[in-house]
Amino acid sequence: EPEVTQTPSHQVTQMGQEVILRCVPISNHLYFYWYRQILGQKVEFLVSFYNNEISEKSEIFDDQFSVERPDGSNFTLKIRSTKLEDSAMYFCATTRGYGAGELFFGEGSRLTVL
Amino acid sequence: DAKTTQPNSMESNEEEPVHLPCNHSTISGTDYIHWYRQLPSQGPEYVIHGLTSNVNNRMASLAIAEDRKSSTLILHRATLRDAAVYYCIPTLTGNQFYFGTGTSLTVIP
Repeated sequence: EPEVTQTPSHQVTQMGQEVILRCVPISNHLYFYWYRQILGQKVEFLVSFYNNEISEKSEIFDDQFSVERPDGSNFTLKIRSTKLEDSAMYFCATTRGYGAGELFFGEGSRLTVL
Repeated sequence: DAKTTQPNSMESNEEEPVHLPCNHSTISGTDYIHWYRQLPSQGPEYVIHGLTSNVNNRMASLAIAEDRKSSTLILHRATLRDAAVYYCIPTLTGNQFYFGTGTSLTVIP
């Protein structure tokens, strides 16, 4: 069964440091997303990405966040200067097309900011 | 995004059917009704989706009201592995998925 792969599974970083979270989407998928989940809270939408550009982003996705697909395979989320409140589980998700269908989620990357 | 209302929690005995309700009275005519679940310490997992007709797959059944303002996810025989938070999400794939608080299902052995 195809799967979305995320690395690292867990990253610990100091406040103010840059972090890059990586996602390998399923090969024929066209839409990519990042979600986050702070411990004990809801899964929150961050950003969606289609055709090499951001199609939608939430209020959480401020100037400290960026996404790109640098080599046509990895889909990355960068946090430029991490804050304590960025500590969360970050989920990558991908889907083949628009309309109806399954969104495939990765296992998540746990980010701990000290 | 359509607002959804789900019970905060439900319990079921193992091997009994479970009916998880969801109200989505503001759903738009083009939104599909998606159901996802999140097992403890895992990412969300697709369960089922539908537009107007009832749908079945290997995991569950989805019953959609005729006016599409509500739906019910049916797990035919709950197992311990089905203990999770279940989310009802009316949207189009490609748009963002709004995960509310969902229904936390406890399965009693």
